[in-house]
Amino acid sequence: EPEVTQTPSHQVTQMGQEVILRCVPISNHLYFYWYRQILGQKVEFLVSFYNNEISEKSEIFDDQFSVERPDGSNFTLKIRSTKLEDSAMYFCASRGGKVTDTQYFGPGTRLTVL
Amino acid sequence: QQPVQSPQAVILREGEDAVINCSSSKALYSVHWYRQKHGEAPVFLMILLKGGEQKGHEKISASFNEKKQQSSLYLTASQLSYSGTYFCGTEGQGGSEKLVFGKGTKLTVNP
Repeated sequence: EPEVTQTPSHQVTQMGQEVILRCVPISNHLYFYWYRQILGQKVEFLVSFYNNEISEKSEIFDDQFSVERPDGSNFTLKIRSTKLEDSAMYFCASRGGKVTDTQYFGPGTRLTVL
Repeated sequence: QQPVQSPQAVILREGEDAVINCSSSKALYSVHWYRQKHGEAPVFLMILLKGGEQKGHEKISASFNEKKQQSSLYLTASQLSYSGTYFCGTEGQGGSEKLVFGKGTKLTVNP
């Protein structure tokens, strides 16, 4: 069964450093999302991406965040200058084009900012 | 506005049933149910759409009351593997939008 993959599984970085989280969505899916989950809390929406542009973003997704789909398969989330409060699990999700399609989540990248 | 889930936690013995509820204050296009085990990604269980269509796993059942903007997930004859945190994610009227998740219901199934 096709699945969303994410790399790395765990990223440790120093505050102020840039990180890039990578995702390979399911190949025929059209909608892509990033969510994050701070330990013990609910899953929070960051950004949605469709047709090579951001379709919606949350208040969390400020100027420090950016997304790209550089080559038609990868979908990346960049955090330019990480803060301690960026420590969380980051999930990529993708969805097909039908209204009955749900979002399938990748395994997540655990980001630890020191 | 995040959906409200109830109860916050449930403890069952294997074989018992449980109902998890999710309610929203806004009109919904669909409700999505996921189960998350500790340290893992949310796993899709079921999607329920406005109009009555639904898709999901055979052993899971759920309902969606569009007028009340409420959904319930029914877990029958629970197994140890059902343990985890159950999240409902709601989608607004547009379809293909972001999911807004509730805080989750922690289900523990004991032998």
